[in-house]
Amino acid sequence: NAGVTQTPKFQVLKTGQSMTLQCAQDMNHNSMYWYRQDPGMGLRLIYYSASEGTTDKGEVPNGYNVSRLNKREFSLRLESAAPSQTSVYFCASSIPGPRETQYFGPGTRLLVL
Amino acid sequence: SQKIEQNSEALNIQEGKTATLTCNYTNYSPAYLQWYRQDPGRGPVFLLLIRENEKEKRKERLKVTFDTTLKQSLFHITASQPADSATYLCALVSNAGNMLTFGGGTRLMVKP
Repeated sequence: NAGVTQTPKFQVLKTGQSMTLQCAQDMNHNSMYWYRQDPGMGLRLIYYSASEGTTDKGEVPNGYNVSRLNKREFSLRLESAAPSQTSVYFCASSIPGPRETQYFGPGTRLLVL
Repeated sequence: SQKIEQNSEALNIQEGKTATLTCNYTNYSPAYLQWYRQDPGRGPVFLLLIRENEKEKRKERLKVTFDTTLKQSLFHITASQPADSATYLCALVSNAGNMLTFGGGTRLMVKP
């Protein structure tokens, strides 16, 4: 039981490049989330998926897209990376919604030059 | 606008003492409040959840209080140990919302 896994662990991009962050969970959770964490600003929700086939915007969705590929996987895509997207990205999952415990992955550190 | 505030300065205490961390919120009506622990280079780990109609919740050496009048939650670690050193995050969700909103976290350093 690996919990929530994320790939890659670390990535360097040049401005304008695109990339997809991958997230998978093996806990049969319905809900999945993408957050970014910046120094002193806590975790901010980018997008979430309450169930397979649905996605909704969070607090800071601009510049990102998501895909809930199946119940296990939820990916985050940066179409044209900007230096402002330099951050640590965390994926999380939960049952049945945000009122209950969220389980976080180890994070992806992204540097956009 | 909605705001969740945690002391951004690190809290330094001596081993064996009780650590008390504060989470204050404004323009918010939380139904649930959660506390997470985050170690450097790792994702947050859930510790405790307290509901708006609960005043206090305990789990081993941890205690959380929730005062909706003061708009404040206190997180206590009794008999603190160096292994308790980490950043602690509070998070709120309202009845009307379906998202967790996190505070910026407070770093706790327990010295032997």
